[in-house]
Parts: sequence; C-alpha cells; structure tokens
Amino acid sequence: EAGVAQSPRYKIIEKRQSVAFWCNPISGHATLYWYQQILGQGPKLLIQFQNNGVVDDSQLPKDRFSAERLKGVDSTLKIQPAKLEDSAVYLCASSSYAGTEAFFGQGTRLTVV
Amino acid sequence: AQRVTQPEKLLSVFKGAPVELKCNYSYSGSPELFWYVQYSRQRLQLLLRHISRESIKGFTADLNKGETSFHLKKPFAQEEDSAMYYCALLTSGSRLTFGEGTQLTVNP
Repeated sequence: EAGVAQSPRYKIIEKRQSVAFWCNPISGHATLYWYQQILGQGPKLLIQFQNNGVVDDSQLPKDRFSAERLKGVDSTLKIQPAKLEDSAVYLCASSSYAGTEAFFGQGTRLTVV
Repeated sequence: AQRVTQPEKLLSVFKGAPVELKCNYSYSGSPELFWYVQYSRQRLQLLLRHISRESIKGFTADLNKGETSFHLKKPFAQEEDSAMYYCALLTSGSRLTFGEGTQLTVNP
C-alpha cells in the first residue's frame, strides 16, 4: 500500500514568515498525527485528528500553529509567524484507528533563519 | 502525566554482543508500549509492540509493570541493527508519546 506522503521535503524561511506543510495519509486511515522533532529529541505530538475532528491539540502552540484536516483525509499544518525555535522536522503519521500501528511519512525539514 | 525515559542517548556494541536498550515510563493507567526504529535515511517505523509479544529481527521486549520498564533486547547484535530506537507509550486518550531515543551503533 502507498505510504504517508508529505510535502515539501525541505523548507527554508526567514523568521516571521509563514509556512505550510501538507500530509496525505494512507487511504482509509482515520487517525492522523502531526509531530515536531527538534534535532536530538524524540518526536513531540502537536495535534491528533480522528477523521476530521481534533482529538488532542494540547501541545500545539495555538498562537502561531494551526492545523486542519479537510474531509477527514489530507491535512495541512501552518506556522504563522515562524520563529527560530520552530526549526525542526515535522512528521505526519496515520493509523487505521487510534491505538493501532502508526505509519510515518518522510517528514518535512524546516529551517528558520 | 505520561512520560517515557530512555536514559542512554548513545549505545555502542560490537557485532555478536548482546544489546539492551532501556526504556522506563510513567503512567497511572494501563500502558501500551511500542518500540519504533529509524534506520539511516528511512522513515520511522514500528519495530514491535508489547501486546503482540513477538520477536522481530531477533529483538524482544517485555513489559515490567512493577519496574515500569519496557527494555528492548537482542542476544546477538548485527551491524544492520545500527539505527535510532524510540520507545513510545500509548495512553487511554490515544496519545502516542515518544522517548528521546537511543542511537545504537553496532561495530564490526
């Protein structure tokens, strides 16, 4: 089966600019996760969707980060405005339903300069 | 609050030696634990989960609720086992929390 697709793979922006990441989960997967992975750290959950509803966004910095999952399929994560500390790899993952194996995308490496 | 601790950031062993990657967790409910692995230039993928109680690529992990641990073990390490290993905890709210990871290097 096709894996989780993310784009772009790399992005370099200046601080205070905006950026958006896109994720296409595995077909039929109801649960979608966005993780932030700062260099040298483990993935940190930003937001979790079940279909198109938010299950957990307690660690999402809502003053600058937003995410949506239209029609319960694709998802976008936006940062506006970006800060230097947002430099990280942003990982998208999906699972058939919460609690089952999560399949990860290749990630988007964001560098804020 | 749930937490996963992997005390070793780096672990280096020789080929054929036993390897143990440590993982401790804190969670007041009934935990479900996983080991994920990331090989060089590949995406993060599931290695094994405690509920299946199976051996994958020679690796096993036993959940010890008394010690709140889920250590990953392999009796004879291979060079192809070199990778980043993450322990992860799934809580009742379906949140999947990862540890900081352990970089395993198996030397020839």
